[in-house]
Amino acid sequence: SQQGEEDPQALSIQEGENATMNCSYKTSINNLQWYRQNSGRGLVHLILIRSNEREKHSGRLRVTLDTSKKSSSLLITASRAADTASYFCAFVIGAGGTSYGKLTFGQGTILTVHP
Amino acid sequence: DTGVSQDPRHKITKRGQNVTFRCDPISEHNRLYWYRQTLGQGPEFLTYFQNEAQLEKSRLLSDRFSAERPKGSFSTLEIQRTEQGDSAMYLCASSLAYDRVLGGYTFGSGTRLTVV
Repeated sequence: SQQGEEDPQALSIQEGENATMNCSYKTSINNLQWYRQNSGRGLVHLILIRSNEREKHSGRLRVTLDTSKKSSSLLITASRAADTASYFCAFVIGAGGTSYGKLTFGQGTILTVHP
Repeated sequence: DTGVSQDPRHKITKRGQNVTFRCDPISEHNRLYWYRQTLGQGPEFLTYFQNEAQLEKSRLLSDRFSAERPKGSFSTLEIQRTEQGDSAMYLCASSLAYDRVLGGYTFGSGTRLTVV
């Protein structure tokens, strides 16, 4: 399967703590993205990191990408109860410009932040 | 545009009936995707349009599924002779052409289908 794998499947932390989620994939990718999904709703794009980038920041989010290990991590710092959601990594397969951008998703990490 | 709109939000249907869902993408987005998501899983790709052309259809998609995007604007996804295994959230997303994508897809809120 070309689907990504995410670890852990579920994460429970206290407000103020940091949350780290990991994603692994098996093929060459063009870029990797992280999405958040609140229960029963659509997905919200959080951040995109390209295959030639190693780290990217957006507010309290930090994403790293290690193409040699085919893995990425999402760090949420100083978590809040409102961060409670499912988080998915998704990637565009292919290293060239011919891909039309189809995303392949991981299975997700359920994050619960307790107040 | 306020985002990607999907209609209806919820649909309950009896097995064997046909259902049709609609997606209105962000107007300047020329790419439109349909995904299916079951409980506890990530979204699975169903099909993709660039403008009005359907460029790829997942092998997971049976012949009971058909999608259209007339005039490259809104899209419809029809499921004929629904089965209980079709129960899922159907998500629509749109984006700009790949080489200009900076912010990923914009997803709609989805249509939750329940087949009874």
